[in-house]
Amino acid sequence: GENVEQHPSTLSVQEGDSAVIKCTYSDSASNYFPWYKQELGKRPQLIIDIRSNVGEKKDQRIAVTLNKTAKHFSLHITETQPEDSAVYFCAASSVVEGKIIFGKGTRLHILP
Amino acid sequence: SAVISQKPSRDICQRGTSLTIQCQVDSQVTMMFWYRQQPGQSLTLIATANQGSEATYESGFVIDKFPISRPNLTFSTLTVSNMSPEDSSIYLCSATRYGGIDTEAFFGQGTRLTVV
Repeated sequence: GENVEQHPSTLSVQEGDSAVIKCTYSDSASNYFPWYKQELGKRPQLIIDIRSNVGEKKDQRIAVTLNKTAKHFSLHITETQPEDSAVYFCAASSVVEGKIIFGKGTRLHILP
Repeated sequence: SAVISQKPSRDICQRGTSLTIQCQVDSQVTMMFWYRQQPGQSLTLIATANQGSEATYESGFVIDKFPISRPNLTFSTLTVSNMSPEDSSIYLCSATRYGGIDTEAFFGQGTRLTVV
């Protein structure tokens, strides 16, 4: 089955700087890669996703890149703000099975 | 996006008892899933809830411990049976509107279970 690895587990970034979170996946059949943000005590919220037919997608300060050959995908947050502090999860989904498998998460701290 | 209602939102249960969690989606969805999130951890998939048939369980999870029903497209239940303190966790219902290339998952607010 699918296995998603996520790094780093913790990331501290100065406010205004950029943050990058990297993930790898194992199942070449996966073609949907969402990213979720989870604040303390709340449900995961989808912040951006990318499908296998594109290599990059951007939404304001957030961008995601995908390298299908290497089975890598990354989340980039620019001009970080205090409200970006949260746990971020990458995930991968298989076309056939439809289920979403999560990475272990990255706790992002934005330092004032 | 779909709206998912999950209840109860939290419960404290005695060991050896069972708890049934309900998940209601406001529109028809293709697939429904149940996840467990232990404190400070990621989401672990328990099973895929199949409409009108037995759920498909992930490695490490069995039907006797986590029976699941999905009688129609918009409703599912997860039962945590014969609970022990190790079952203390947050349980999340998830649903997708389409499968394949258009998969997008939505989550219920979760059920925080404490077993004493």
